[in-house]
Amino acid sequence: QVQLQQWGAGLLKPSETLSLTCGVSGGSFSGNFWTWIRQPPGKGLEWIGEIKDSGGADYNPSLGSRVTISVDMSQNQFSLSLKSVTAADTAVYYCVRGVLIYSIIRRSGKYFNGMDVWGQGTTVTVSS
Amino acid sequence: DIQMTQSPSSLSASVGDRVTITCRASQNIDNHLNWYQQKPGKAPTFLIYAAASLQSGVPSRFSGSRSGTDFTLTINNLHPEDFATYYCQQSYTTPRTFGQGTKVEIK
Repeated sequence: QVQLQQWGAGLLKPSETLSLTCGVSGGSFSGNFWTWIRQPPGKGLEWIGEIKDSGGADYNPSLGSRVTISVDMSQNQFSLSLKSVTAADTAVYYCVRGVLIYSIIRRSGKYFNGMDVWGQGTTVTVSS
Repeated sequence: DIQMTQSPSSLSASVGDRVTITCRASQNIDNHLNWYQQKPGKAPTFLIYAAASLQSGVPSRFSGSRSGTDFTLTINNLHPEDFATYYCQQSYTTPRTFGQGTKVEIK
């Protein structure tokens, strides 16, 4: 059974760089999307971005060029870097496995993307 | 970005009730709609994909449906462990976007 274990600094000052890493155990690293989601206190979920095992990444345009997601397949890990943080980046950050699931809808087979395994979450607070 | 509008934002229900949560997409997303459950202090869990397919291990009292760009999550015979916040999420394109959540509370 796949498990995600994440770690990284939980308290940052404004303008610093947020760095989190997520280790993948119990399953294959290949063939999946490796995703970061965040949740500000008392608010909903925000997709930060995802990276395929091939290394191609997609990011939320709302974060501009501040965000980078990278993967280290040799270590079964993927990482999040968010530069120049402000108080607005205070949130619980989750690493997540995204999977492609084949399903037949009205006799037409398609692949659907879902996020099926979540890390435990890391609370990141940005404060001076 | 595709906007996902979820309603209601909260509701009160009793054990045994039937609960319905709606999510509307701002454009066509075909059946690329997921539902998640989140309990306080915990990571979300994956309930439904492709609008109506139950993820492995999810009880059959949960169901999903689609009508155009409107999607519905229904919980039949509400159990005590179902009191939580539910989120829809479109997986049609990036950036992947979530509804604002619906909190199901005990009446």
